[in-house]
Amino acid sequence: GAGVSQSPRYKVAKRGQDVALRCDPISGHVSLFWYQQALGQGPEFLTYFQNEAQLDKSGLPSDRFFAERPEGSVSTLKIQRTQQEDSAVYLCAGGSSYNEQFFGPGTRLTVL
Amino acid sequence: DQQVKQNSPSLSVQEGRISILNCDYTNSMFDYFLWYKKYPAEGPTFLISISSIKDKNEDGRFTVFLNKSAKHLSLHIVPSQPGDSAVYFCAASVGNEKLTFGTGTRLTIIP
Repeated sequence: GAGVSQSPRYKVAKRGQDVALRCDPISGHVSLFWYQQALGQGPEFLTYFQNEAQLDKSGLPSDRFFAERPEGSVSTLKIQRTQQEDSAVYLCAGGSSYNEQFFGPGTRLTVL
Repeated sequence: DQQVKQNSPSLSVQEGRISILNCDYTNSMFDYFLWYKKYPAEGPTFLISISSIKDKNEDGRFTVFLNKSAKHLSLHIVPSQPGDSAVYFCAASVGNEKLTFGTGTRLTIIP
């Protein structure tokens, strides 16, 4: 596809459930970023990959959050034992550097 | 600790007039600044950027101004069009590090 795609677009989870969010970046973009956007806030950095290497995971809020990009293309953000405070839009972005990142539409996660 | 601040949550501007969106930052190490535009149910779209070695960058109807001494940047849109109605985020980075975003300003262009 021409842009970054994310699936599912919407996810409702019961508290304590595990979820997996998928990101398909633009072909050729070696850098991939995950952000969390809470209601009324700007996106907040979670983690960064260059190809398959996770170079920065300083923004992951807890050890319940885990991201991978095993083949340097598709990435998955996994949240274990979801909590209500995990409810947010999760954005994936790709690019050639940290600057000028191209964002996907996001996955809206609601934890009940 | 909000390192990038957009103090105006919303702004309404008449079509054809100039829209000015403001952003302040506290981290003097930031050396690259970007503006993103976001429509509902879509991801942010890159609009324009500026390096700290410049004080102005222009792209069509969009101009970004950077005042390093005041730690302030602004986005000017002229003339404003109905399609410009969206949420605008400013973002900043140190070198090639992670982007830090502001909380956004919702711009409404009144026809």
